[in-house]
Amino acid sequence: DIQMTQSPSTLSASVGDRVTITCRASQSISKWLAWYQQKPGKAPNLLIYKASNLESGVPSRFSGSGSGTEFTLTISSLQPDDFATYYCQQYSSYSRTFGQGTKVDIK
Amino acid sequence: EVQLVESGGGLVQSGGSLRLSCVASGFIFSSFEMNWVRQAPGKGLEWVSYISGPSRTTYYADSVKGRFTISRDNAKNSLYLQMNSLRAEDTAVYYCARDRPQVPFDFWGQGTLVTVSS
Repeated sequence: DIQMTQSPSTLSASVGDRVTITCRASQSISKWLAWYQQKPGKAPNLLIYKASNLESGVPSRFSGSGSGTEFTLTISSLQPDDFATYYCQQYSSYSRTFGQGTKVDIK
Repeated sequence: EVQLVESGGGLVQSGGSLRLSCVASGFIFSSFEMNWVRQAPGKGLEWVSYISGPSRTTYYADSVKGRFTISRDNAKNSLYLQMNSLRAEDTAVYYCARDRPQVPFDFWGQGTLVTVSS
């Protein structure tokens, strides 16, 4: 299976900060990467697909980049609603795997 | 409006069985691939199983292969997960999630909790 490693595991930030989360794949996955946001007690919500495509309805402060084995999710100016846990996920192989998650909390 | 509603979760003893259901509405169910994803308490997300629109193709995570069976009834807009030989480590919230072409998990249900007691 392809392993996905996110960093950092926890990130403390303030409203207005630029935030970057990194996701590394154990082998090349081309651009077959998605990012999700999850709040406590809720289902995850798709933010980005195919590494850099913004899902409809997702604010433009979210962006994704990368290809191959290294990817980033950037929040350009953190808003109060963005404090949550973020997961990357590869869908290059039928056995889809998630990163372990990055919790963004209030500094 | 796309909706996915899971049901069938509950408390079951180790070694027991449970069948989860997910009823879809707001889209042409038979045209979309579907998945089950789970999340153990306080843990991350784990993909469990996939099924194609016409049910010709199914995939499973190694952790459930041989114990879980995914199926669907397109006439009833329903997705199922038959879970046998349940273990304590299967305790989780189980979500159904839709794929669209080249986009995974674009819609999710609210989840149903499965608790396996040892």
